[in-house]
Amino acid sequence: QEKVQQSPESLIVPEGAMSSLNCTFSNSASQSIWWYQQHPGKGPEALISIFSNGNKKEGRLTVYLNRASLHVSLHIRDSQPSDSAVYLCAVASSGSWQLIFGSGTQLTVMP
Amino acid sequence: EAAVTQSPRNKVTVTGGNVTLSCRQTNSHNYMYWYRQDTGHGLRLIHYSYGAGNLQIGDVPDGYKATRTTQEDFFLLLELASPSQTSLYFCASSGTGGALAEQFFGPGTRLTVL
Repeated sequence: QEKVQQSPESLIVPEGAMSSLNCTFSNSASQSIWWYQQHPGKGPEALISIFSNGNKKEGRLTVYLNRASLHVSLHIRDSQPSDSAVYLCAVASSGSWQLIFGSGTQLTVMP
Repeated sequence: EAAVTQSPRNKVTVTGGNVTLSCRQTNSHNYMYWYRQDTGHGLRLIHYSYGAGNLQIGDVPDGYKATRTTQEDFFLLLELASPSQTSLYFCASSGTGGALAEQFFGPGTRLTVL
């Protein structure tokens, strides 16, 4: 089964800085990668997804996918205190409908 | 916007007790899921369903039953609860299955088994 590892476990950045989160997966045939955001006491919410090798930008978010290195990263430009949350990487393998989640990165943005 | 609600939000029971967690979605989605979330493990799939009366087994099904009574309602049953089932439980729904479908999550139910 797909394995998903996230790093770092915890990240603290000052307001206005770039936040960079990493995720590695085990299957180069993985069909899609999703990033979910989870605030305390809430369920996860989908932020952005990527299916093709390369990058995708939406607002302050940029995702980079490199299937050869089994690596995907999420970058949050101009980080805000409201971005403080747990970020979950989820991967679906080719031929499987199921999402496999990593254990998350706790992001804290200091005012 | 997709809406998924869960009840109760918090539940405390004793070992061997019966527990039913409820989930309702109002966005006409076909797929519904039950996950548990534990520190260090992320979200793990317990059961899922792609329609009323349908049930599929996930990755960690032992000790859990589930039932999908309508398109809207999905229930998770713990008939002999154990302390190892103390966890945060999430229900989710999606319009289709598969890797391309966004999943919409409820607010979660925190279950404690003493």
